[in-house]
Amino acid sequence: DAGVTQSPTHLIKTRGQQVTLRCSPKSGHDTVSWYQQALGQGPQFIFQYYEEEERQRGNFPDRFSGHQFPNYSSELNVNALLLGDSALYLCASSFWGNEQFFGPGTRLTVL
Amino acid sequence: AQTVTQSQPEMSVQEAETVTLSCTYDTSESDYYLFWYKQPPSRQMILVIRQEAYKQQNATENRFSVNFQKAAKSFSLKISDSQLGDAAMYFCAYRSEGNQFYFGTGTSLTVIP
Repeated sequence: DAGVTQSPTHLIKTRGQQVTLRCSPKSGHDTVSWYQQALGQGPQFIFQYYEEEERQRGNFPDRFSGHQFPNYSSELNVNALLLGDSALYLCASSFWGNEQFFGPGTRLTVL
Repeated sequence: AQTVTQSQPEMSVQEAETVTLSCTYDTSESDYYLFWYKQPPSRQMILVIRQEAYKQQNATENRFSVNFQKAAKSFSLKISDSQLGDAAMYFCAYRSEGNQFYFGTGTSLTVIP
């Protein structure tokens, strides 16, 4: 079992650009959650996808959007990037309400 | 909204000794879960231990145990016989009835040989 995988590992973008991050959940998991972790901080919940729909959303602007595919993989899209969007983006998968398993994260740097 | 507070930004412990990491949370819900996650420098978050709010018995996983005080909304993690590999950031997390997770700001644990 490969566990939760994320791509890419690192990404550098400039302000105003758009970015797409990808996540493949652990085998058997149907729920994917996305988190933003700023340096030295705990993860902040962005949103959660289940059955291809956004089920929960944290306090993030509409610039942050996502998608879940029929195979349960997911994408996080961020438009009009700001310097403050620089962070580690974590994906976590679960079988609905059970404990979440995290991926290694994507380090996004916005210049 | 639920909040999770970890008041100890940094902690240190001698190898083979015991250390306790503190966590408090605020909620009006009655059915929830609490977790401790470990994030080593390699940054992949790993589940350490979980506690269901309806269970009075404290969870234990080998050298890791919790002290869950529901009325006080306290959820501390005790690490016994500390090992060098325990050095990491530790995050306390709350899972709401709606399956949303809230994390604390973390405690950086140093293990001194």
